[in-house]
Formats: sequence, C-alpha cells, structure tokens
Amino acid sequence: DGGITQSPKYLFRKEGQNVTLSCEQNLNHDAMYWYRQDPGQGLRLIYYSQIVNDFQKGDIAEGYSVSREKKESFPLTVTSAQKNPTAFYLCASSTGAGVGYTFGSGTRLTVV
Amino acid sequence: ILNVEQSPQSLHVQEGDSTNFTCSFPSSNFYALHWYRWETAKSPEALFVMTLNGDEKKKGRISATLNTKEGYSYLYIKGSQPEDSATYLCAFYSGAGSYQLTFGKGTKLSVIP
Repeated sequence: DGGITQSPKYLFRKEGQNVTLSCEQNLNHDAMYWYRQDPGQGLRLIYYSQIVNDFQKGDIAEGYSVSREKKESFPLTVTSAQKNPTAFYLCASSTGAGVGYTFGSGTRLTVV
Repeated sequence: ILNVEQSPQSLHVQEGDSTNFTCSFPSSNFYALHWYRWETAKSPEALFVMTLNGDEKKKGRISATLNTKEGYSYLYIKGSQPEDSATYLCAFYSGAGSYQLTFGKGTKLSVIP
C-alpha cells in the first residue's frame, strides 16, 4: 500500500546534538512538507519541497535543514541551533498545490 | 502569517447527538479550504477539500459547508459515534505561489458512549 513512513516514532537526543528525522513516501507525490506541533498550537510549517532538488523555508525554518535528493525522501535535520527542538514532527506529501495532503504518523522528538 | 481560527477548542457530546464546529479564515486571496480528521496515534486523514463559495461536501455522516465571502466553514457530524472522536483540523490555502497550508489549532471532539 502507498503511504508515508516516518521514523523513528520516538527519538531522544542530548542537547547540542544534531538529529535527522526520516520521511519516505511511495505515492509518487512531487511535493513534501515538514510541520511541527507544540501543545496548544496548530501545525506550523518548517520546510516544504515542490520538486526534487528544490525546497523552501516555511514559517519556522530557523534551526532546521532539509534535503530533497530523491522524490521519495525528504529528511529533516534538527540542528543544535534550534532553541526549542522538543516537539511532535509531521511529514506530509501532495500531488500539487491546494490538494489534500497525505500525512505520516509523526516523530516525537525529546531533547534532554 | 495568516490567521485560521477554529472553535470550539474541544467539545464532548453524547453518542447519537449531532454537532458542528467552525473554521474561520481570511476572506481575501482564497483558493481552498481543507478539513482533516486526526485520531489519536494515527495520521491526519483528509476529509474534504473545498474551493467554491457555497460548496457543500458530504462523506457519510460528516458534511461541510463553505462561505468564502465571509471567511468561514462549518463541519457537521450527524448522529455522533464514539469512532468520530478525534481532532478535526481545518487548513487554508491561498494559492499565492506556494503549496503551503495554514492550519488552525483544531477542535477536539469526544463522543461519550
């Protein structure tokens, strides 16, 4: 079955360490997205990519980096520059603009 | 940053009751309004993508209406069942040269058996 896989489901890291969250899709979708959720907040866009080898900053890109070397993969690196990295991270994909997203199941990152 | 508001933040209803909640969004530069259902420990699931003023969409016991002129959408659930318990998200798309959706904070629905 087609879908989006995020791994791992839970991730613990020490403060000051970079960490990479995986997002893989086999839906042949061109666009992929990373959102962050904090308690009491809506989903906020970190980065998105409309096509391979291209990506754009979202509303809260500081302290994060991404790559889009393959259509299927859009990994997110949370760097030590991100001041409050503990959060729930959701990856999504879509066929294009304005159409419904397909979401992964998320990664909960805890930095101690 | 665009403002998308959902109300109420949470509600509890008895099984069999019908309910509705609201999503408010900017009435200018409208392209599409999305509704998603997010059950605990699962991925958000797309319910509707609405683009036309006055549009009404239906999926089983769930329906949604759209008013782009005044900037709101209603989601209705008829005869709520425990399996309807979830957080319902709306998301606004302005079509302004990017694929970005702006999400509301969601309405958390709990259906009491």
